[in-house]
Parts: sequence; C-alpha cells; structure tokens
Amino acid sequence: DIQMTQSPSSLSASVGDSVTITCRASQDISNYVAWHQQRPGKAPKSLIYAASSLQSGVPPKFTGSGSGTEFALTINSLQPEDFATYYCQQYKSHPLTFGGGTKVEIK
Amino acid sequence: QVQLQESGPGLVTPSGALSLTCAVSGDSVSSGHWWSWVRQSSEKGLEWIGEMYHSGGANYNPSLRSRVTISVDKSKNQFSLHLTSVTAADTAVYYCAARNEYCSGGVCNPWYFDLWGQGTLVTVSS
Repeated sequence: DIQMTQSPSSLSASVGDSVTITCRASQDISNYVAWHQQRPGKAPKSLIYAASSLQSGVPPKFTGSGSGTEFALTINSLQPEDFATYYCQQYKSHPLTFGGGTKVEIK
Repeated sequence: QVQLQESGPGLVTPSGALSLTCAVSGDSVSSGHWWSWVRQSSEKGLEWIGEMYHSGGANYNPSLRSRVTISVDKSKNQFSLHLTSVTAADTAVYYCAARNEYCSGGVCNPWYFDLWGQGTLVTVSS
C-alpha cells in the first residue's frame, strides 16, 4: 500500500493568514493526489484533484502543488469556515489511501 | 445536483453482518461513476473499503476483501455495502462516495472522488 504522510498534524493560525500543509507519498504517484476538507461532524468535501485542479465550486484561495512524492496544499486568507481538518489522498493505485489529516485551528 | 444518502442500522452485534445502502439522487447509478464506501474511525482515520461500477467491475481493499461485498441496484438507483463477521474494530462512520471516471483510448478507469454522502455511524456492540 502507498503511505501518505501529512505534516504538520495540527497548526494554529489567525483569520487572514495563509497556511501550507504538506503530504509525502511513500512512492512516486505522479499527480494522482486529491485534497479533502472535513469540518467537525461533517462529511469530507473534495477540494482538489490531480494535485492542483480545483473541484467545481471551490474558491481559488485553495492551491495545490507538487508531483511525484511531495505535495502541498496552501490556503490563502483564512476565514472562519476554513478552520477544519484537511486530508490528502492518493488514487494512483489500489487500495486508495489517505493521509492522517492536518487540523487547522484558530489561534 | 447529485446527492448521496446512507441508510442502515446504527448498531450491529459482534460476529454479525453490517449492511448499508446509499441512495443516489440527481443522477443514475448507470452513469460514469464508481460507487464507493469509505469509513472513518479515530483508530484508523479515513479508510477506503471498496468500489463498484454499474457494469460489475469492482475493487476492494485487500485488508477487508474477504468480508466485503459491494453491489449496485439499478432498479432502485442505489448501491450497498455488506460486511460480515464484524468486530468492535469495525465501529466507524461509514460514508458512501463516488469517483468519476477517466476515459482514454476506449478504456475507462476510476479517477477522483467528486461526491460524498453525509455519513452514518455504525457501532458494533452486544
């Protein structure tokens, strides 16, 4: 199985800040990475696919980058609704696997 | 707008079977989606269970393959999860989800998730 390792596991930021979350794959997965947002008590919401493409309706404040084994999600101008847990996920091969999550909290 | 809605028992007895259904609205299960199940627990985080295409193709997580069956019911426009021999380790929030497909050269394969249900908590306990 391909392991997805996210860092940090949590971070604190203020409204208006920009933050970057990183994700490392245990092997080369090209750009077969997605990012999902999960607010407390809610289902995941898919934000990005193919490492950097926005899902329909997702604002461009979310930016994905990377290829191979190193990936990043940047969130610009944090708003209250952005404080959530974010997960990376690979779909290069079965079984699909997710990172452990990064919780973005309000400072 | 396509929506997914899980339903099923919230409590299952150990060694029994877990059965959940996901109703699809706003689209047909015969469309170009791979219908999936993902679960989430505090111990294992998000865990992909498996997926099925309407024509019968299926992929399962090897860690669960011996106990899992996913099926698609075109007449009811829904798909289902059946997990046997459950233990407390199967206690989780279960999500139905869907991956769209990418076609090239006449071959179509599952691609990225674009739909999620709201999730349903299943507890395994006597």
